[in-house]
Amino acid sequence: NAGVTQTPKFQVLKTGQSMTLQCAQDMNHEYMSWYRQDPGMGLRLIHYSVGAGITDQGEVPNGYNVSRSTTEDFPLRLLSAAPSQTSVYFCASSWRGPGQGLIGELFFGEGSRLTVL
Amino acid sequence: DAKTTQPNSMESNEEEPVHLPCNHSTISGTDYIHWYRQLPSQGPEYVIHGLTSNVNNRMASLAIAEDRKSSTLILHRATLRDAAVYYCILYSFGNEKLTFGTGTRLTIIP
Repeated sequence: NAGVTQTPKFQVLKTGQSMTLQCAQDMNHEYMSWYRQDPGMGLRLIHYSVGAGITDQGEVPNGYNVSRSTTEDFPLRLLSAAPSQTSVYFCASSWRGPGQGLIGELFFGEGSRLTVL
Repeated sequence: DAKTTQPNSMESNEEEPVHLPCNHSTISGTDYIHWYRQLPSQGPEYVIHGLTSNVNNRMASLAIAEDRKSSTLILHRATLRDAAVYYCILYSFGNEKLTFGTGTRLTIIP
């Protein structure tokens, strides 16, 4: 079972470069989200999506763009990387219920470790 | 959003029960209590969640106070694999955001 797949697992960028972190899920989840985790800290929500074509901002959206063209994929784009974006990035997905809230658990990917020099 | 308070760290002996506390004094009636854990170098994984009644699953038990202002995650027999950071999170139904705090780092002593 693939679950939530993130690529790449590791990436080193120079300041000002752009890149896309990929996230794919094979569970037909409506809800997908991106978190970042800095050393010794909890996870902070960057962006989330409740379905194809619908995205919204989380707690720390600046410097990141997202789009959701399919149910399966939710890429995170860094347009001009900065050292402050050095972090571990986690993608997560979940079902949504009839009341349009999240049901049960978030399924997380293994993370993408990004270093910006 | 309602917040949770957890101890920064706890230790427990292997093969003994572990009780991880969480305070959420500003919880509202529609807030669910979720627990996740994060093993070293991995993404978080779901442990358990509940609303009002105590809950059990294969991983753990969740005991919720009658006034719902606190809860306790119970690992019935800790193993070395249970060493992780445990996050207690309040989820408001209809809110699309799950907000993680800094959690409790659980160390298991062999």
